[in-house]
Amino acid sequence: GESVGLHLPTLSVQEGDNSIINCAYSNSASDYFIWYKQESGKGPQFIIDIRSNMDKRQGQRVTVLLNKTVKHLSLQIAATQPGDSAVYFCAETPGGTDKLIFGTGTRLQVFP
Amino acid sequence: DAGVIQSPRHEVTEMGQEVTLRCKPISGHNSLFWYRQTMMRGLELLIYFNNNVPIDDSGMPEDRFSAKMPNASFSTLKIQPSEPRDSAVYFCASSFEGGRASGGYTFGSGTRLTVV
Repeated sequence: GESVGLHLPTLSVQEGDNSIINCAYSNSASDYFIWYKQESGKGPQFIIDIRSNMDKRQGQRVTVLLNKTVKHLSLQIAATQPGDSAVYFCAETPGGTDKLIFGTGTRLQVFP
Repeated sequence: DAGVIQSPRHEVTEMGQEVTLRCKPISGHNSLFWYRQTMMRGLELLIYFNNNVPIDDSGMPEDRFSAKMPNASFSTLKIQPSEPRDSAVYFCASSFEGGRASGGYTFGSGTRLTVV
């Protein structure tokens, strides 16, 4: 059959609104999680991380929530700005390794 | 700090040719990772090193791919012979102690490889 590229889910938000990007991770043994932002033509850029012994961590305008029971991670961006438009990836590191495994990503579009 | 430095930024080569991608990690980081990004497969980990030693190369697609880290400040990813399906953006990343201590893994700007 014909091959197709990854279909990135897209989240469209209005400038000033809050954004929530969700991620389901795969490995129950993962103990460290990171959110990355990738703009066109650039490498992934670190946003915020969280260890498995926490369920919430806050940074500047961003909050990461971790629910280990259902293996779910979310990134909340407050007062979303046009400069936040990018593809956002969650990444996990299985315990006992340094492997950083990326999810498929979510495209965030911010419109005025 | 100049960050993770990759070269070249762009590479166009003919099928069958050897391609060498280069990476200079952040000074003091002891882990180095090579990733490949394509539309089809997203970001894939190819191989990673701790203290210059390859730890996991299970993501290397074929024997045509090889990676070395002769010292703490330099790594190469080589494809020989290259094929059109190797066309992708290749990223190098580095971290200290697996990223948990340094606040994540820092990525370079990538090398866009096109094999024609």
